[in-house]
Amino acid sequence: GDSVTQMEGPVTLSEEAFLTINCTYTATGYPSLFWYVQYPGEGLQLLLKATKADDKGSNKGFEATYRKETTSFHLEKGSVQVSDSAVYFCALSESSGGSNYKLTFGKGTLLTVNP
Amino acid sequence: DAGVIQSPRHEVTEMGQEVTLRCKPISGHNSLFWYRQTMMRGLELLIYFNNNVPIDDSGMPEDRFSAKMPNASFSTLKIQPSEPRDSAVYFCASGPTGPHEQYFGPGTRLTVT
Repeated sequence: GDSVTQMEGPVTLSEEAFLTINCTYTATGYPSLFWYVQYPGEGLQLLLKATKADDKGSNKGFEATYRKETTSFHLEKGSVQVSDSAVYFCALSESSGGSNYKLTFGKGTLLTVNP
Repeated sequence: DAGVIQSPRHEVTEMGQEVTLRCKPISGHNSLFWYRQTMMRGLELLIYFNNNVPIDDSGMPEDRFSAKMPNASFSTLKIQPSEPRDSAVYFCASGPTGPHEQYFGPGTRLTVT
């Protein structure tokens, strides 16, 4: 089946540092790609998405570009804040037949931003 | 929209008791997913439904777990009998049919003593 590999954490940065969290995928078709964020004690929230090659998803200063040639969807932010401390999950949509789709998630990367 | 609603938010029960978790998906969403999250195993997909029909339950740990979706606005996940190793946060998520994002509820934190 399809799979997602993301860099294992934890990642610890100082405020205003540059962030990159790597994500690569394996898929038989052309999946949609997603980044989710989970703050402590909460459910996962969609951060951004891209549905086709070369699309760039962006939200709250975060961005990721769907790279078909390298099968990657790396998450970046130019200047992180303490409030960005959370677990970040990369995911892809995977067809399980017909119109049935499910998300395949990476294992998550814990980001801690220190003031 | 109120988002995905889950109840209860916290459940503490003794081993051997029956536990029922409830989920109300976002109106108009055709797909519903149940996940379990633990530190050891991460996020696991247990079962999902499309148009109220179970599509894939291969993630359900064992026969003690069962899930139903009697209508488009309600689903339950039942554990009977519960065991301490079932302690986890259980999430419900819903989404439109197709290769689209899912919207997660706040989760139910289950503790089995």
